[in-house]
Amino acid sequence: RKEVEQDPGPFNVPEGATVAFNCTYSNSASQSFFWYRQDCRKEPKLLMSVYSSGNEDGRFTAQLNRASQYISLLIRDSKLSDSATYLCAVNIDSGGYQKVTFGTGTKLQVIP
Amino acid sequence: GAVVSQHPSWVICKSGTSVKIECRSLDFQATTMFWYRQFPKQSLMLMATSNEGSKATYEQGVEKDKFLINHASLTLSTLTVTSAHPEDSSFYICSARDGVGGNQPQHFGDGTRLSIL
Repeated sequence: RKEVEQDPGPFNVPEGATVAFNCTYSNSASQSFFWYRQDCRKEPKLLMSVYSSGNEDGRFTAQLNRASQYISLLIRDSKLSDSATYLCAVNIDSGGYQKVTFGTGTKLQVIP
Repeated sequence: GAVVSQHPSWVICKSGTSVKIECRSLDFQATTMFWYRQFPKQSLMLMATSNEGSKATYEQGVEKDKFLINHASLTLSTLTVTSAHPEDSSFYICSARDGVGGNQPQHFGDGTRLSIL
């Protein structure tokens, strides 16, 4: 089983729709979680950290479910500019040192 | 916010050439930087963790003699792809954490697109 798994998509949604992505992780000792956005041929940019209590930033809501070992990202009122690949990242203790493992990303295409 | 600068952004060179990529943290000190590689339509793959003042930690399957990492200061890490071949063509991205500990997010450089002819 992969350390971090995401549905690659693509998710094709109309403007204004609400869309949700999940990301599962295998290591129950994982400590911190993040969502990144990556545009085509660009570097990933941090979208938001994911906190145990859940957190919201404008149209974006991130949640963590430790019992089921997944994190989610909800995007409300989708905009055309939201079209990108969304990567989840999980901080894992690997042999005594911390490393962040990324999922393969979920591609979102918002359609006019 | 934390800014990471990477240079060059694009390299095209002949097979056998060695290519050096620089990664700088502009407004913070980074004792640890990370080097990733990303092939088209694939995920980011961690190559190595660069530690200031000590040897880099390489991931399994990454040749340390092929990908030389130097982290001589708190704001600069370099990756040298030695004797590059076409199969080394990829998108190389560095990142750094602003702050101590694994709970801080990583911030990425702009990436270097390497094309070996």
